[in-house]
Amino acid sequence: GQSLEQPSEVTAVEGAIVQINCTYQTSGFYGLSWYQQHDGGAPTFLSYNALDGLEETGRFSSFLSRSDSYGYLLLQELQMKDSASYFCAVGRGSTLGRLYFGRGTQLTVWP
Amino acid sequence: DVKVTQSSRYLVKRTGEKVFLECVQDMDHENMFWYRQDPGLGLRLIYFSYDVKMKEKGDIPEGYSVSREKKERFSLILESASTNQTSMYLCASSSQAGGRTYEQYFGPGTRLTVT
Repeated sequence: GQSLEQPSEVTAVEGAIVQINCTYQTSGFYGLSWYQQHDGGAPTFLSYNALDGLEETGRFSSFLSRSDSYGYLLLQELQMKDSASYFCAVGRGSTLGRLYFGRGTQLTVWP
Repeated sequence: DVKVTQSSRYLVKRTGEKVFLECVQDMDHENMFWYRQDPGLGLRLIYFSYDVKMKEKGDIPEGYSVSREKKERFSLILESASTNQTSMYLCASSSQAGGRTYEQYFGPGTRLTVT
């Protein structure tokens, strides 16, 4: 089986930096994905890490440490529009393409 | 742009009815997925498909079946709807090409209420 742990809620103010952590336990780990979902909307893909290290895409960065079974999503220069749920998801080599999602972190950005 | 469409945004059905949820993607993706999303439980995979006429059970397949007769279309069927199937249903697709296979594209969702 597999398990993913991420905080249920995070709050921050506009302009701040926030880090959403994700720890996982799974066999045949292949990579870690992050998705964003606004209220009433569909999840949208943010990033995918297959190798250790930091991947940067604009204000968002994602990090993976395979040896620690840990990753995080870093959001910089927070804006009100970043208020959303963020899901980490793991891919396993045995079932290519399938993702196992965490329960999500609700991020609230205050003015 | 990848586009995934679902047949209905909102659906209300009665207990015992047979329910069909349709999903169509226009990017020639090989993989298609059906999830249900409930508050506090994240996204749970019901079924997925790697190819036409192929299907694999996800984590919660009981009470559901699927059909994939064409590459672009993946249907979810509730054989006899029950109130505990009231939920948001999300369809997704992804390519099997290289590093893109874990980049899933989601439809807008169908909020199903079973009364």
